[in-house]
Amino acid sequence: GENVEQHPSTLSVQEGDSAVIKCTYSDSASNYFPWYKQELGKRPQLIIDIRSNVGEKKDQRIAVTLNKTAKHFSLHITETQPEDSAVYFCAPYSGNTPLVFGKGTRLSVIA
Amino acid sequence: KAGVTQTPRYLIKTRGQQVTLSCSPISGHRSVSWYQQTPGQGLQFLFEYFSETQRNKGNFPGRFSGRQFSNSRSEMNVSTLELGDSALYLCASSWGSPMNTEAFFGQGTRLTVV
Repeated sequence: GENVEQHPSTLSVQEGDSAVIKCTYSDSASNYFPWYKQELGKRPQLIIDIRSNVGEKKDQRIAVTLNKTAKHFSLHITETQPEDSAVYFCAPYSGNTPLVFGKGTRLSVIA
Repeated sequence: KAGVTQTPRYLIKTRGQQVTLSCSPISGHRSVSWYQQTPGQGLQFLFEYFSETQRNKGNFPGRFSGRQFSNSRSEMNVSTLELGDSALYLCASSWGSPMNTEAFFGQGTRLTVV
């Protein structure tokens, strides 16, 4: 099955700085790469995703980049704000398996 | 439209007992997946049901089982509860197709085993 690793496991940044979270995966058949955000006490929600036919996707302050050759994709958050504080999960998907999530990255944005 | 609904929200059970959790997916969604969430372990996949059939299964003991009904509602059962089963159990529904994979989560059921 898919082996998913996220780095770092925790990340603290000053408000206004950028944050980058990396997700590596093992299944070369993976073709869909989402990121989910879980705020404290709330359910995980999809924030951005990318398919394997593109290398980068942006949505305002967040972006996802994909390197299929190296089998990793990254979440980029610019101009971080306190409301970005949450746990972020990646879940690479191949179509043959369920969504298997990484262990999560806890992002703390310090005001 | 209504979101994913899980019941109950909280449960306290004693070791050795069994428990049943329920998940009502978004209308039209045929896939329901279950996850166990504990601090430091992230979201661990339990199983996925699609059109009343178990389509995928994670690495959990046989004490964890599930089923899905014709209306796509799903139940998860844990028998012979252990202290280590204390966790937040989340279900997620989706269309279940490779081109439409966004998972919508319920609020979760927090299970405490004492």
